[in-house]
Amino acid sequence: DQQVKQNSPSLSVQEGRISILNCDYTNSMFDYFLWYKKYPAEGPTFLISISSIKDKNEDGRFTVFLNKSAKHLSLHIVPSQPGDSAVYFCAAGSGYTGTASKLTFGTGTRLQVTL
Amino acid sequence: KAGVTQTPRYLIKTRGQQVTLSCSPISGHRSVSWYQQTPGQGLQFLFEYFSETQRNKGNFPGRFSGRQFSNSRSEMNVSTLELGDSALYLCASRFSGSTDTQYFGPGTRLTVL
Repeated sequence: DQQVKQNSPSLSVQEGRISILNCDYTNSMFDYFLWYKKYPAEGPTFLISISSIKDKNEDGRFTVFLNKSAKHLSLHIVPSQPGDSAVYFCAAGSGYTGTASKLTFGTGTRLQVTL
Repeated sequence: KAGVTQTPRYLIKTRGQQVTLSCSPISGHRSVSWYQQTPGQGLQFLFEYFSETQRNKGNFPGRFSGRQFSNSRSEMNVSTLELGDSALYLCASRFSGSTDTQYFGPGTRLTVL
């Protein structure tokens, strides 16, 4: 039972354009969400997070949007750069202010930014 | 500050053997979590240790076990290896505050023949 789904296994975007990566979840108990980026042969690197009390969080070129009613979140990268080419994982957890740290990950979306 | 380190980086074992993987968290981090990454399954949570106690556990069989030492270093053990255990095993650490940002190590690539 995949509680966090990334339905697009890959995405190709031109340099300078916007990249939009999508993620859907089914568990209503999730109350915080994160995006990680992963290069080959490296561990995932934290990018940005959002708690369920917000619907948008921005950090430089990265913005995460959360639509709780649709159980959907998206990561926008503007403008996209070749160095952004990587696999992006969406992750969700519950108990933001608690001690639990179990994260449920999606299967990832491979983003390729072309010149 | 040094990041999360994992040893060994690559490992080849045969079915039926057991394996122990090691993880050293970021200095000051007291929580260590383990994840398994396989193609098509993404990252799946194995377990979390905090102050030498298992605090959270995923849906993996008892062949997967772990422990944490007083210096927060953690080990993961897999007994009676199966072909399906071939995966990238990732360790993540975090400071046990209210933030749940986890910082990952580079992983150990385990191949079971």
